[in-house]
Amino acid sequence: VQLVQSGAEVKKPGESLKISCKCSGYTFTSYWIGWVRQMPGKGLEWMGIIYPRDSDTRYSPSFQGQVTISTDKSISTAYLQWSSLKASDTAMYYCARHSAAVASDYWGQGTLVTVSS
Amino acid sequence: EIVMTQSPATLSVSPGERATLSCRASQSVSSNLAWYQQKPGQAPRLLIYGASTRATGIPARFSGSGSGTEFTLTISSLQSEDFAVYYCQQYNNWPQYTFGQGTKLEIK
Repeated sequence: VQLVQSGAEVKKPGESLKISCKCSGYTFTSYWIGWVRQMPGKGLEWMGIIYPRDSDTRYSPSFQGQVTISTDKSISTAYLQWSSLKASDTAMYYCARHSAAVASDYWGQGTLVTVSS
Repeated sequence: EIVMTQSPATLSVSPGERATLSCRASQSVSSNLAWYQQKPGQAPRLLIYGASTRATGIPARFSGSGSGTEFTLTISSLQSEDFAVYYCQQYNNWPQYTFGQGTKLEIK
C-alpha cells in the first residue's frame, strides 16, 4: 500500500490550488481517504473524508466550505482543492487511508502548501 | 464535537524506562480510539487502533488500553527511536474524527 502526494506548492493569496494523493497497492474504492492539516509547529486536524466508490464526502465543520475533496477512480487519486487561498492555509497536508476497522493505517508523505504574497 | 485532551503535554523519560501517556474524550468514543506516532519531518504512523490493537509491524512494547472516555498508551521500555510526538484520535463520532493536541515524549 502506498499513498504518494504531489509536491510542495508556493502560492499567493487568492490563488487556487489542487493537490493530489495517488493510491496504489489496494482496491482504491474499498477504503475512505481522509485529509489532515498540520499547521507549522502545531498538531493534527481532521479536515474531511471521501469514499471513492460513490464519492460520499464529509467535512469537519471548520473546513466545510473552505476546501473541496474529490477523487478520480480511473487513476486511484484523491484531491484536496482550494478556490481562493489565504495565508492561514499555509500548512502540511496529509492524506490517509481510513476504515472504521483500523482507523488511518496508511499515510501519504505530506504536501507542504505555502501561501505568501 | 468531541474534544480529545492528552496529558501531559511533554513527558521526559530515560531510555529503558516506561512511559505512560493519557488521552481523555469529552464524551464516550467506545473503543474507537487510535494512537499515532509522529517524528520530525515525517508523516504520522498508526500504532494502535480499536484502543488496544497494535497495527501491523508495531513492536510489542507499545500497548493501548481503555474504553469510553479514558485511554492510555504505554511504552514498556523506551528505545531511542520512540522519542517523538504521540497523538490520540477518536473515530467514533462520524465524520468529525478529532485528534488530541499531542504529547511530546522527550529524552530525560
